[in-house]
Amino acid sequence: GAVVSQHPSWVICKSGTSVKIECRSLDFQATTMFWYRQFPKQSLMLMATSNEGSKATYEQGVEKDKFLINHASLTLSTLTVTSAHPEDSSFYICSARFMGGDEQFFGPGTRLTVL
Amino acid sequence: EDQVTQSPEALRLQEGESSSLNCSYTVSGLRGLFWYRQDPGKGPEFLFTLYSAGEEKEKERLKATLTKKESFLHITAPKPEDSATYLCARDGKLTFGQGTILTVHP
Repeated sequence: GAVVSQHPSWVICKSGTSVKIECRSLDFQATTMFWYRQFPKQSLMLMATSNEGSKATYEQGVEKDKFLINHASLTLSTLTVTSAHPEDSSFYICSARFMGGDEQFFGPGTRLTVL
Repeated sequence: EDQVTQSPEALRLQEGESSSLNCSYTVSGLRGLFWYRQDPGKGPEFLFTLYSAGEEKEKERLKATLTKKESFLHITAPKPEDSATYLCARDGKLTFGQGTILTVHP
């Protein structure tokens, strides 16, 4: 149980384009989903928290107009990196938490490379 | 600000050589301490949640314990497949430590 998927697993795009990453909870309803990014040899950094049907809450220093998050249903959240630039290249990981739960269950991650 | 500090940064063990990883956390208002395992290029895999001092949880060769100021992840008779980065995090928004990179040599 508690399986989270991400799509795509990797993506390469040109600078200036937008990229959408999907995060799905496959066997539970996720009232809260989280988006993290991880640079090589570093720990996970929380970017934003989203609750189903509400606007996402962004961490300090994360541009909300650049990283658009939509949590339209209890099983799906999307992260759109708008006008991506090479410095946005990173490993993006989502996680999901079900109602009343404390643990976060993570997806397998999406490797974004911006050329 | 919630802080989590893990030590050591890296640990090399021989197969069968037991050891422990440490996670120190800021004490105020702890609502849960979490352990995760992360393999290269993958998302973290949930291992344990600990809530109160004295609590212990086990899974195969791993045992997690919690005191009022720190948590330990004990690895008994590790195998090469236990090699990974082990992360601890505290509640809420999951403030992660930097992780301990464990390498188990056959």
